[in-house]
Amino acid sequence: KAGVTQTPRYLIKTRGQQVTLSCSPISGHRSVSWYQQTPGQGLQFLFEYFSETQRNKGNFPGRFSGRQFSNSRSEMNVSTLELGDSALYLCASSSWTASSEKLFFGSGTQLSVL
Amino acid sequence: DAKTTQPPSMDCAEGRAANLPCNHSTISGNEYVYWYRQIHSQGPQYIIHGLKNNETNEMASLIITEDRKSSTLILPHATLRDTAVYYCIVSAANSNYQLIWGAGTKLIIKP
Repeated sequence: KAGVTQTPRYLIKTRGQQVTLSCSPISGHRSVSWYQQTPGQGLQFLFEYFSETQRNKGNFPGRFSGRQFSNSRSEMNVSTLELGDSALYLCASSSWTASSEKLFFGSGTQLSVL
Repeated sequence: DAKTTQPPSMDCAEGRAANLPCNHSTISGNEYVYWYRQIHSQGPQYIIHGLKNNETNEMASLIITEDRKSSTLILPHATLRDTAVYYCIVSAANSNYQLIWGAGTKLIIKP
């Protein structure tokens, strides 16, 4: 089975721009969750989608949004980028839930905001 | 805040067993203990999980104390490629709560 695929691998944006990141889960997995990882804050949960519905959400501002398509692929969007949004964004997939199953992570998208 | 406590860093000699401790004194009866590791600039990788019995797979062994308040991940024959940050997480089955990731333990394997 192919693993979790995240694109792009690296991205450079400037403040005020918006960005869209993509995640293709493992075939058959219906849960996709997103995480932000920074050196200072560690791994922080953004949100989880299951069958095209947002099932859980972390404590991030509304500039961070996501969606899931019928084929379970997911995108996350960050609008009006700020310098502090520079981070590694990770996507994980699992069969049913992001909270109590084995999670399979992608390699992440490294976002730099200048 | 994370529900687990781990030492920030540890060293281990290549070829020796690496024993990584984790304290989860407030664990509930229905919560599992999960271990992941993250090699630099990659996504975390699942290692093993358990409820109360000791578990072993091709990567590691998990020893959970009888009172379930702590556990130890054992990498039996550490190699340089095991250098990574190791995260210990507790979570209930079928929970709607997201996993809370602590800072983990930076394990450095030395030749």
